[in-house]
Amino acid sequence: RKEVEQDPGPFNVPEGATVAFNCTYSNSASQSFFWYRQDCRKEPKLLMSVYSSGNEDGRFTAQLNRASQYISLLIRDSKLSDSATYLCVVTPRRALTFGSGTRLQVQP
Amino acid sequence: GAGVSQSPSNKVTEKGKDVELRCDPISGHTALYWYRQSLGQGLEFLIYFQGNSAPDKSGLPSDRFSAERTGGSVSTLTIQRTQQEDSAVYLCASRPYVGGADTQYFGPGTRLTVL
Repeated sequence: RKEVEQDPGPFNVPEGATVAFNCTYSNSASQSFFWYRQDCRKEPKLLMSVYSSGNEDGRFTAQLNRASQYISLLIRDSKLSDSATYLCVVTPRRALTFGSGTRLQVQP
Repeated sequence: GAGVSQSPSNKVTEKGKDVELRCDPISGHTALYWYRQSLGQGLEFLIYFQGNSAPDKSGLPSDRFSAERTGGSVSTLTIQRTQQEDSAVYLCASRPYVGGADTQYFGPGTRLTVL
């Protein structure tokens, strides 16, 4: 079983839609949680950290459920520029453990 | 300021040859990581350097892989006797702090193709 599991997608949504991605992780000792964004043939870049209380950054909302070992990312009012692969990331050790990513394609 | 840089950006080699990949972390960052990403896959942790501590090599897939970090700055990842399954993008990342949940900054990667 992978340490971090994500639905690979692709999620094809129209502009303006709300879309949600989920992620589960297996190591209950994980301390830190992130969503990274990766554009095609580019390096990953931090989108946002994920806190137990839930946190929001503009159109993006992240939530963590430690009991269920589950992380989510909600994107509201999708833009064409949101098209990318979204990587769920946890830190059961000092290195980051990445999910395989969920691909989002926002269509006009 | 300058970000993490990696060289070469692309490397094509023949099966059985050795390759060296270089990473220049952000100045002052004490932690340095190597990952690899195969086509359509997530990132796979390879090795982690933190200051003068012994590196965490737990992610290296075989003894053909090795890495060093000289002077606490530049790092070189060496793959000996390359195999076709080594083809991937090799990403380096650096981080400024010893602990905490701060972010890692990634370089653009080296795309390795083993023919």
